[in-house]
Amino acid sequence: SAVISQKPSRDICQRGTSLTIQCQVDSQVTMMFWYRQQPGQSLTLIATANQGSEATYESGFVIDKFPISRPNLTFSTLTVSNMSPEDSSIYLCSVVGQYQETQYFGPGTRLLVL
Amino acid sequence: RKEVEQDPGPFNVPEGATVAFNCTYSNSASQSFFWYRQDCRKEPKLLMSVYSSGNEDGRFTAQLNRASQYISLLIRDSKLSDSATYLCAVGPTNDYKLSFGAGTTVTVRA
Repeated sequence: SAVISQKPSRDICQRGTSLTIQCQVDSQVTMMFWYRQQPGQSLTLIATANQGSEATYESGFVIDKFPISRPNLTFSTLTVSNMSPEDSSIYLCSVVGQYQETQYFGPGTRLLVL
Repeated sequence: RKEVEQDPGPFNVPEGATVAFNCTYSNSASQSFFWYRQDCRKEPKLLMSVYSSGNEDGRFTAQLNRASQYISLLIRDSKLSDSATYLCAVGPTNDYKLSFGAGTTVTVRA
């Protein structure tokens, strides 16, 4: 399966600031997704990152808060904007590679907002 | 009602025991089903897909019951290394999107 990396792996940020998380895959993939996993909770899908067009957001998530880019088939970014302590979470990207039937996850980015 | 529900456990079992747990889903039109394993402070990793006819991978057996809308995972001859949280994932459509359960925690003790 594809090798997926995320940067940064963790960060501590001040409220009101923004953080951009990068997801890089070592091969072209069909689909890329962004998830949030809050402490003790399961994964919540934020959006589908669409190559060359606007992301498709799930209910409860909006572009102004979580702008997403996907300029090509191997890279995507998620920005967490105007952060508050409630945004403290693990953010994970996942991909579906060519000829794969399901998602594989990156290592995640641990975010703490003070 | 949540789309996907799991018994959170924890299931605390001795080495060598068999442990089994279920996951129910609400969308009867769901197309795809998976079990992921998540270790503490790590990302989820695909354990196995779940097929209509049921499938086995070593000590792990997954089954799908469409009539009752649940999937199950059975672990035989439990090892200490099986200690983890097991997430079920259900794909409501064929666009690769998944809904995840909150996970079932399994602890295997020596």
